[in-house]
Amino acid sequence: DAGVIQSPRHEVTEMGQEVTLRCKLISGHNSLFWYRQTMMRGLELLIYFNNNVPIDDSGMPEDRFSAKMPNASFSTLKIQPSEPRDSAVYFCASISPSRDTEAFFGQGTRLTVV
Amino acid sequence: AQTVTQSQPEMSVQEAETVTLSCTYDTSESDYYLFWYKQPPSRQMILVIRQEAYKQQNATENRFSVNFQKAAKSFSLKISDSQLGDAAMYFCAYASSGGGADGLTFGKGTHLIIQP
Repeated sequence: DAGVIQSPRHEVTEMGQEVTLRCKLISGHNSLFWYRQTMMRGLELLIYFNNNVPIDDSGMPEDRFSAKMPNASFSTLKIQPSEPRDSAVYFCASISPSRDTEAFFGQGTRLTVV
Repeated sequence: AQTVTQSQPEMSVQEAETVTLSCTYDTSESDYYLFWYKQPPSRQMILVIRQEAYKQQNATENRFSVNFQKAAKSFSLKISDSQLGDAAMYFCAYASSGGGADGLTFGKGTHLIIQP
């Protein structure tokens, strides 16, 4: 299994542009989490899904952020419009229903908004 | 809400020596899980060790062990025989009784430096 796959690895965009981050879960995993990592705030949970359904989006910072899980293996996190303070590393992680104490993380997307 | 505190922003240790990273947490739950994750410069988050709160025995994984003090809400990580490859950021994390199905709460991390 290739693990959790995130794309792109790096993204540089101009303020005001739309940004879409992508995540492919490990086959058979049914929970998906989006985290944001910054120097100031550390790792924060933004939103998570279980069986494609959003369960808790209370960590999403603003309405400019939205996340979808159109099928069991894929999720997107969209920022529209992007702002410089959105610059961070965004991780997705997935969990297996049979081993729900271990989260498998992707390698993250480093987003820079200039 | 749960909180996780790592009071050591940076630690330094000589290669082959032992180092202990500190973590405290706050929760009103009685059943939960605690984790240590390693993040090397590659950014990959790697699970080092996990501890179930209902287990009194401290978890060990090769050179890595924890000192879990439930009453004190303390969860420290001991790395024995430190190796250059251990250099990384280390994050302490908490999950409620679902084991992680509700997401993880992370500390701010400790940057571990290994001196050759």
